[in-house]
Amino acid sequence: DTGVSQDPRHKITKRGQNVTFRCDPISEHNRLYWYRQTLGQGPEFLTYFQNEAQLEKSRLLSDRFSAERPKGSFSTLEIQRTEQGDSAMYLCASSTQRGTEAFFGQGTRLTVV
Amino acid sequence: KNQVEQSPQSLIILEGKNCTLQCNYTVSPFSNLRWYKQDTGRGPVSLTIMTFSENTKSNGRYTATLDADTKQSSLHITASQLSDSASYICVVTPGGSQGNLIFGKGTKLSVKP
Repeated sequence: DTGVSQDPRHKITKRGQNVTFRCDPISEHNRLYWYRQTLGQGPEFLTYFQNEAQLEKSRLLSDRFSAERPKGSFSTLEIQRTEQGDSAMYLCASSTQRGTEAFFGQGTRLTVV
Repeated sequence: KNQVEQSPQSLIILEGKNCTLQCNYTVSPFSNLRWYKQDTGRGPVSLTIMTFSENTKSNGRYTATLDADTKQSSLHITASQLSDSASYICVVTPGGSQGNLIFGKGTKLSVKP
């Protein structure tokens, strides 16, 4: 158990629906990351927060994707108008500062049908 | 373009044998390099992290090496166990980046009895 919690673990949704995932990082970690991983590939960076500030976003994060970390603790990742290509494992990680170990959650597996 | 390439793509070995996984990267500037183990359907778990000034780092039966001049790293697993069956992912943090870890596609290791 790494201490990073993600909810739900699995989500099946119909194309066009909105979905929201939650990540609870390790409590003393001020940095929180979202990654997306498709089958057979390594995780790809989506976005990164330091406390409540979203400091970096990948070009992979299209207008349909939005992430928040309102109080600098838990974070949510919302995907609007889901497409089949959004099907993937969405991973959350947290760390204390750059260069130290990032702890990953178990991920949320999204299937868009 | 910053890239992380791993080889082999997959590997099958017998229990008790040793193996070495390779990672080549083109990321520059470079901050640190990590090796993660990822079991199927689960989040990655950190094995080692090395800065550019470190040549080797051990964690139990896992030993990682780094040659920052040739931009190569290896992960050596000694006396493999069935539980070592997993994907092993090489991850590079670019210098100056806050959260954009660059992941390789991983090497899928299968340890057979």
